[in-house]
Amino acid sequence: QKEVEQNSGPLSVPEGAIASLNCTYSDRGSQSFFWYRQYSGKSPELIMSIYSNGDKEDGRFTAQLNKASQYVSLLIRDSQPSDSATYLCAASIGGTSYGKLTFGQGTILTVHP
Amino acid sequence: NAGVTQTPKFRILKIGQSMTLQCTQDMNHNYMYWYRQDPGMGLKLIYYSVGAGITDKGEVPNGYNVSRSTTEDFPLRLELAAPSQTSVYFCASRNRQGYGNTIYFGEGSWLTVV
Repeated sequence: QKEVEQNSGPLSVPEGAIASLNCTYSDRGSQSFFWYRQYSGKSPELIMSIYSNGDKEDGRFTAQLNKASQYVSLLIRDSQPSDSATYLCAASIGGTSYGKLTFGQGTILTVHP
Repeated sequence: NAGVTQTPKFRILKIGQSMTLQCTQDMNHNYMYWYRQDPGMGLKLIYYSVGAGITDKGEVPNGYNVSRSTTEDFPLRLELAAPSQTSVYFCASRNRQGYGNTIYFGEGSWLTVV
């Protein structure tokens, strides 16, 4: 069973702090990794994608990928109450996977003022 | 700018009834998907399609059927609804070209089977 596992939540951080979300995956064939944000009652919204080992930064968000350890993380700096949502980690195998995504169970993040 | 459109948004079904969730996209995407999301869980792939006339099973296909007669439309059929099919259903699409191309999600269809 190809799986994506996320660190158990919920996670609560104060406004302005760094929120750290973690994800591991079991299929070494996975090549593309995504972080989605999902507000309650809404569809997932892509916030970061990462394909190569190392860090990728976009504004307050930094995604980190370590393929040797099969580990993906998302750091949110200067967390805001508007960042409160469920964060979904997803992985895709390259080649003939046709873009199919395997999702983790999600981590609920609450940023309190 | 429509993107991926799903209907209906909400539906209550009785056990044993059947229904079709409609999905259409106006971005000329080759790949389309149906995912379901149970409360507090991630999304699981039900069926996917790589083009008109071509469909294949995902992780949780039992109790569902799909068809893809056009590039734009990818309806999901629920036969003999069961309480276990109570879930939120998301249709999605992406372009074929491009490594890790963005997947676009519809707004979701909330289905309750009673």
